[in-house]
Amino acid sequence: GENVEQHPSTLSVQEGDSAVIKCTYSDSASNYFPWYKQELGKRPQLIIDIRSNVGEKKDQRIAVTLNKTAKHFSLHITETQPEDSAVYFCAALTGTYKYIFGTGTRLKVLA
Amino acid sequence: DVKVTQSSRYLVKRTGEKVFLECVQDMDHENMFWYRQDPGLGLRLIYFSYDVKMKEKGDIPEGYSVSREKKERFSLILESASTNQTSMYLCASSLIAAGSYEQYFGPGTRLTVT
Repeated sequence: GENVEQHPSTLSVQEGDSAVIKCTYSDSASNYFPWYKQELGKRPQLIIDIRSNVGEKKDQRIAVTLNKTAKHFSLHITETQPEDSAVYFCAALTGTYKYIFGTGTRLKVLA
Repeated sequence: DVKVTQSSRYLVKRTGEKVFLECVQDMDHENMFWYRQDPGLGLRLIYFSYDVKMKEKGDIPEGYSVSREKKERFSLILESASTNQTSMYLCASSLIAAGSYEQYFGPGTRLTVT
């Protein structure tokens, strides 16, 4: 079946450094790739997304890149801050309704 | 602002009990979803619904059923709760519209089955 692999499962960076989280998807028909941030005890919230007809998208300190040929996409966070500490999930929309989520990355930003 | 609410934040039930988890969204979204979230496993889809009275199985439907009698409400039912259903349950909703795919999540229900 369809799946999304996410790496690493945990990531620690010093404040101000960059963080990169990578995901690989299996369904070549997937056309939408969101990234969610989930702070402790809170609901997942969309932070950035990318569609299959775009290679890169930026929003201030965060960016997402997509390589359709290799079927992988990545989240890049620059100038990390303590408030970036959270669990990040990637996902791929397969078909019209079904989202397949990665297993999550716990990011710790060390002050 | 989209609001997705769930009936309980914490729930403790006994093995064998029938459990109802309720989700309500106020943005007239067609799609609604139930996920369970377990450490190291991410979010796994239990069921989703794309219209009233319509439902589709997700990846882990065993032991669960759902009901969608009204567009704004999607219920998850555990017919006979078991300890392996102890988990965080997240509801989500989204539109069916070209260019609009974002899912909006509820706050979650942490269910403990003893």
